[in-house]
Amino acid sequence: AQTVTQSQPEMSVQEAETVTLSCTYDTSESDYYLFWYKQPPSRQMILVIRQEAYKQQNATENRFSVNFQKAAKSFSLKISDSQLGDAAMYFCAYLDSNYQLIWGAGTKLIIKP
Amino acid sequence: DAGVTQSPTHLIKTRGQQVTLRCSPKSGHDTVSWYQQALGQGPQFIFQYYEEEERQRGNFPDRFSGHQFPNYSSELNVNALLLGDSALYLCASTRGGSGGYTQYFGPGTRLTVL
Repeated sequence: AQTVTQSQPEMSVQEAETVTLSCTYDTSESDYYLFWYKQPPSRQMILVIRQEAYKQQNATENRFSVNFQKAAKSFSLKISDSQLGDAAMYFCAYLDSNYQLIWGAGTKLIIKP
Repeated sequence: DAGVTQSPTHLIKTRGQQVTLRCSPKSGHDTVSWYQQALGQGPQFIFQYYEEEERQRGNFPDRFSGHQFPNYSSELNVNALLLGDSALYLCASTRGGSGGYTQYFGPGTRLTVL
């Protein structure tokens, strides 16, 4: 069975600085999708970025980018120019062949003004 | 373009009661998934509905059941509530065909069982 591990329960970063959140996963599949979601105190799960495993190019969405290392089964999220509104829980998720998302335990991101 | 909506926002029930949560998918989406998120944890997959059928199910007891209507909206029913059922219940929608791999979430329903 697939598993997703986020080893950083909490991270903090100074406003305007860059932070990287780690995620590793375990799977025997060769084709899959990976996601980062953000969950602010409002509770709504918001899509940050998605990566298709068959694409070698790392996904980028404005200030958010990923470092996808397929062989190492690593999928880290880099947030550049951190803003106060980035403060939230960040979850890494793997979409399995049954279309269900397998989630990590989350990383709480704190932005220091 | 309306996003995923869920009702109610909050709900308080007592042990042994039954509860129904509702979800309307994002416009153009036909597949609905339900997740349970306990406090301080990542979500856990309950089940997914596509074409009014339960397509996949996670490791949840039969007390958890669901339904999808012809307009693609969905209900999650939980019978014989236990204290451990207290959680945030998230609904997500996507398109069932190829390319519909990204799930979009509603604001959730916070269920408290006393």
